[in-house]
Amino acid sequence: GESVGLHLPTLSVQEGDNSIINCAYSNSASDYFIWYKQESGKGPQFIIDIRSNMDKRQGQRVTVLLNKTVKHLSLQIAATQPGDSAVYFCADSTSGTYKYIFGTGTRLKVLA
Amino acid sequence: GAVVSQHPSRVICKSGTSVKIECRSLDFQATTMFWYRQFPKQSLMLMATSNEGSKATYEQGVEKDKFLINHASLTLSTLTVTSAHPEDSSFYICSASQSLGTGELFFGEGSRLTVL
Repeated sequence: GESVGLHLPTLSVQEGDNSIINCAYSNSASDYFIWYKQESGKGPQFIIDIRSNMDKRQGQRVTVLLNKTVKHLSLQIAATQPGDSAVYFCADSTSGTYKYIFGTGTRLKVLA
Repeated sequence: GAVVSQHPSRVICKSGTSVKIECRSLDFQATTMFWYRQFPKQSLMLMATSNEGSKATYEQGVEKDKFLINHASLTLSTLTVTSAHPEDSSFYICSASQSLGTGELFFGEGSRLTVL
């Protein structure tokens, strides 16, 4: 079956350091991936997405890497700030479907 | 970016009553909206896919008669929790996509339901 999971449930990083959040997916047909950030009591916010025809995409302070060979996705946050503290979810979907499968989430804690 | 609005953000009700949650796309037309449920410290669980003008598609294990979904227009979908019980207490989140299949999902701020 389909599943998207995260390797680390909690990640603590020092302010200013880089953060790497990992995600594994199992559906080889998945061709679109999104990272979301969710702050306590709020809905998820879009961070960055990537399609399967790419292996890297950069945004502002964030980079998503996709390794289709091992079905692995990662989110890199440069110069992590206190405002980055949140739970991060990855999600995948397949063209032609409307379903996004969310991973279990990783809580990022930024230490001052 | 596109905005999805949910209302109410918090609701407390007595056991046995019904509660309606609204999800509106404010600046775009959403043919399809999605309803998720989220328990504390857990991920989002897709409950159903709401299609404008047709019946919702429910995920396995989600009770259709318990969670009534109506998508009456291209900008509004509603979730009604009928005969609510304490175990229905949860964070309910809706989302909408401007493009079918793949594309960014825009999420509402969520509605926290507490059933006493």
